[in-house]
Amino acid sequence: GAVVSQHPSWVICKSGTSVKIECRSLDFQATTMFWYRQFPKQSLMLMATSNEGSKATYEQGVEKDKFLINHASLTLSTLTVTSAHPEDSSFYICSAREAGVIYEQYFGPGTRLTVT
Amino acid sequence: GQNIDQPTEMTATEGAIVQINCTYQTSGFNGLFWYQQHAGEAPTFLSYNVLDGLEEKGRFSSFLSRSKGYSYLLLKELQMKDSASYLCAAMDSNYQLIWGAGTKLIIKP
Repeated sequence: GAVVSQHPSWVICKSGTSVKIECRSLDFQATTMFWYRQFPKQSLMLMATSNEGSKATYEQGVEKDKFLINHASLTLSTLTVTSAHPEDSSFYICSAREAGVIYEQYFGPGTRLTVT
Repeated sequence: GQNIDQPTEMTATEGAIVQINCTYQTSGFNGLFWYQQHAGEAPTFLSYNVLDGLEEKGRFSSFLSRSKGYSYLLLKELQMKDSASYLCAAMDSNYQLIWGAGTKLIIKP
């Protein structure tokens, strides 16, 4: 149980275009989802926290107009990187927290984004 | 501020034991997590400590001292597949995980 999927697993896009990444909880209801970014040889950096049905809370330094997060249902959250630039190339990972379970986060497999 | 410190890299020999240390400073404390992350993959959960003491789970054990703000992950009978990054994360009073930079563990035959 507690499986989180991400789609796509990798994507290459041209500079200036937008990319949408989906994060789904397959067998549980995720009231909270987290979006992380990880650059090579660095740790996870929390970008934003999203609660189902409400606006995402962005971490300091993360542009909310550039990284659009939607958490419209209890099983799906999306991250859209708008007007992508090469410096946005990174490994994006989502995690989900089940309703009433505070201490565990279940991670998706990650999405490798390369902007050319 | 909130901070997690762990060594950047460690090297150990196959079959041996290695201890990865982590110190933390957080606003409130709701537990200490260890995750394993292989290159290009998402982290996988290893352990969670909220009370002082040692938790053993097969070849992996995790220790916590809340008074010292200190934890370690102990890996026994090292195997080549244990080569990975090990992430320490503390949960603060808002139930948010504060992540360390990770320790890259290199296992040599």
